[in-house]
Amino acid sequence: NAGVTQTPKFQVLKTGQSMTLQCAQDMNHEYMSWYRQDPGMGLRLIHYSVGAGITDQGEVPNGYNVSRSTTEDFPLRLLSAAPSQTSVYFCASSSTGGPGDTQYFGPGTRLTVL
Amino acid sequence: DAKTTQPPSMDCAEGRAANLPCNHSTISGNEYVYWYRQIHSQGPQYIIHGLKNNETNEMASLIITEDRKSSTLILPHATLRDTAVYYCIVRENDNTNAGKSTFGDGTTLTVKP
Repeated sequence: NAGVTQTPKFQVLKTGQSMTLQCAQDMNHEYMSWYRQDPGMGLRLIHYSVGAGITDQGEVPNGYNVSRSTTEDFPLRLLSAAPSQTSVYFCASSSTGGPGDTQYFGPGTRLTVL
Repeated sequence: DAKTTQPPSMDCAEGRAANLPCNHSTISGNEYVYWYRQIHSQGPQYIIHGLKNNETNEMASLIITEDRKSSTLILPHATLRDTAVYYCIVRENDNTNAGKSTFGDGTTLTVKP
């Protein structure tokens, strides 16, 4: 299993540009999440999904859109990039909500918005 | 989810036990305690979790106080590769909260030779 994969690893955007961060998992996990991590801080939840076709907002959703058309993929779209969105973005997946459920994280995408 | 409080940083000598504390005084009865770590800006890695009993796995031990208001993660023989930021998280272990972890700022553990 490749686990959770994210592309690209690095990206530089200009203010106002749009882009999609890709996330895929091959573990047949129902739950997927997007977090951002600013320098020296913990992760903050952007959006999450409990299954294909179902998404919901997390703590910091503004400026981001998500969709979940398949179990495997959970892309994060930046509609109009702003310097405040410069951050490291992590995607995570987990199998169930029951005891023993743990999250598996991808390697991250480092985004710089100029 | 209940909030957690961790010291911002700790040092530990290589080969010694590292004891990382976490305060979660507002934890509710059905919330679990999870520990993750993040090595040098990689994605966080799951370590261990528990509800009320002490837990041990191949990576660490988790000691939860009887009133469940605090816990300690123990790395029994710390190595240089254990240098990382350690996050203590509490959340309910049900379908509505799966995938929704609230990360604080964690504890930066530095293991020194």
